[in-house]
Amino acid sequence: GAVVSQHPSRVICKSGTSVKIECRSLDFQATTMFWYRQFPKQSLMLMATSNEGSKATYEQGVEKDKFLINHASLTLSTLTVTSAHPEDSSFYICSAREGPSGELFFGEGSRLTVL
Amino acid sequence: KQEVTQIPAALSVPEGENLVLNCSFTDSAIYNLQWFRQDPGKGLTSLLLIQSSQREQTSGRLNASLDKSSGRSTLYIAASQPGDSATYLCAVRSAALIFGKGTTLSVSS
Repeated sequence: GAVVSQHPSRVICKSGTSVKIECRSLDFQATTMFWYRQFPKQSLMLMATSNEGSKATYEQGVEKDKFLINHASLTLSTLTVTSAHPEDSSFYICSAREGPSGELFFGEGSRLTVL
Repeated sequence: KQEVTQIPAALSVPEGENLVLNCSFTDSAIYNLQWFRQDPGKGLTSLLLIQSSQREQTSGRLNASLDKSSGRSTLYIAASQPGDSATYLCAVRSAALIFGKGTTLSVSS
């Protein structure tokens, strides 16, 4: 199956700093990428949807100025957590699909810990 | 608003048992339904994708069914193995992809 690579898998940062997480589709062109976050024992919650070359669409309650999403190419999307706080500590997962009705493939996730 | 519920939340079975995981959703206007597996601290592995026009999909020991009119899907795992231990998530795609909270399966040897 298609492969989606996410990096880094784990990151620890100090409160107030910014962290960038990358999501790459390795063997297909991802017209749409999604970013999710998952708190312990909770469902994955959609944060935002990004289409290549356009601005991301954020879900209600997600601060777009805090969670910056860039989808500059058909194989790469980035999520930057700006001015991170301990409550931003979570598991962030990206997913990608090739077309509007394509199967979704997920990255391995990135565990962010903000001290 | 679409809501996805998975029952049971946790399940423990001895190796070799056949088992069924349940997923229900409130809005039947969906594009597709997907079953995933998540190992602790890991991302998601897609198991089966059922389009809204389909009734079931099979892959190896896994069989997923979809009854859109009643808002239900089941994941059947045959001859369970310890390596099947993981959390199984179903996700329904309508306007967005909505996940259930998952069923955590433990298969003992």
